[in-house]
Amino acid sequence: SYELTQPSSMSVSLGQTASITCSGDKLGDKFASWYQQKPGQSPVLVIYQDNKRPSGIPERFSGSNSGNTATLTISGTQSMDEADYYCQTWASNTGVFGGGTKLTVL
Amino acid sequence: QVQLVQSGAEVKKPGASVKVSCKASGYTFTSHDINWVRQAIGQGLEWLGRVNPNGGDVGYAEKFQGRVTMTRHTSKSTVYMELSRLRNDDTAVYFCARRGTPSGMDVWGQGTTVIVSS
Repeated sequence: SYELTQPSSMSVSLGQTASITCSGDKLGDKFASWYQQKPGQSPVLVIYQDNKRPSGIPERFSGSNSGNTATLTISGTQSMDEADYYCQTWASNTGVFGGGTKLTVL
Repeated sequence: QVQLVQSGAEVKKPGASVKVSCKASGYTFTSHDINWVRQAIGQGLEWLGRVNPNGGDVGYAEKFQGRVTMTRHTSKSTVYMELSRLRNDDTAVYFCARRGTPSGMDVWGQGTTVIVSS
């Protein structure tokens, strides 16, 4: 079965850029989405179709996907961006999530 | 506004079944697949399957084949997820989510806690 791999945690200083990676076999041939989840809340879609932002998502969130790696980039990270982030794709019409990355803002 | 509202928390014994509902509003119910995703305490997101509210066709994760059934009631704008032969490790929060974009799930329900305990 298809798998997506993310770092379990990372930290970023306030105002700096955070880049969260997601790896999978030929992931660049598929579309990647990213979700933000804060404690006790439902996930929120922040990037879909590799690099598109839903309405209401700040411009500091961006995405890319090439080769075997998709990347979520948060520019000018704010304290409110501290959360768990999950990548997701579709493989043979089956949903697949990465294990999630806990982002800490210092 | 577009929203998905799920049924309330459930407590079940091992071996029993649970059926969770997800009522859609604010958009054309038959236009988008509904997916089910679960999350055990302190763990990541896990995809269970999807249902197409238009034709009713479904797709399930291999792990849950034979134990999960997803259905819809079009006139009630509601989808259902039933999980049978429950085990303790099925204890989790279960979410429904609309696949409103080509690749992503853009609207999520509030989650339904299912506790499996003897």
